[in-house]
Amino acid sequence: EAGVAQSPRYKIIEKRQSVAFWCNPISGHATLYWYQQILGQGPKLLIQFQNNGVVDDSQLPKDRFSAERLKGVDSTLKIQPAKLEDSAVYLCASSLGSRNVKAGNTIYFGEGSWLTVV
Amino acid sequence: GNSVTQMEGPVTLSEEAFLTINCTYTATGYPSLFWYVQYPGEGLQLLLKATKADDKGSNKGFEATYRKETTSFHLEKGSVQVSDSAVYFCALSDRMERNQFYFGTGTSLTVIP
Repeated sequence: EAGVAQSPRYKIIEKRQSVAFWCNPISGHATLYWYQQILGQGPKLLIQFQNNGVVDDSQLPKDRFSAERLKGVDSTLKIQPAKLEDSAVYLCASSLGSRNVKAGNTIYFGEGSWLTVV
Repeated sequence: GNSVTQMEGPVTLSEEAFLTINCTYTATGYPSLFWYVQYPGEGLQLLLKATKADDKGSNKGFEATYRKETTSFHLEKGSVQVSDSAVYFCALSDRMERNQFYFGTGTSLTVIP
């Protein structure tokens, strides 16, 4: 089974430039998450999609970050304009999104997109 | 609300030592509990999980038991190896809250030969 795919793996940009990250979740997974992980910290949820609808984007800095999940499959996270404090790993994850108790719904992560803003 | 509190690191152990990383949680619903591991330069990988009270998750010699009475999910391994050096994250998923996940801050483990 193919895992969560992300690209690019690494990106270096100057502040005030823009960047976009792409994610392809595991086939059949209805829920897609974007997390931001700053070095030495745990993942922080930016946005959660259920199919192509937004479930939670309360921690997404909407003045500069945007995300979409067209057709309920792939997703793109964009930052424009970037700030120095956006340097982090951007993790995409997916899960079945089922409320099945026995499923113990598990979240699967991609390898992350490493962003450095200089 | 839901949250996870994890033992702070870093933790340094000699090879073959016993490992315990503490994790406690608060939850309003019926959570599933997870341990994820992150090796340098990689994303998070599921290590083990438990979906209800008294369940024990296990994988690669690691174990954790879902203790509802103490709201804990401590990670243990009887004999660590150098290859276990990584960051370990405790996490909670509340199925009644649209499958949202809550992560601890992570515990860095270094195992020295």
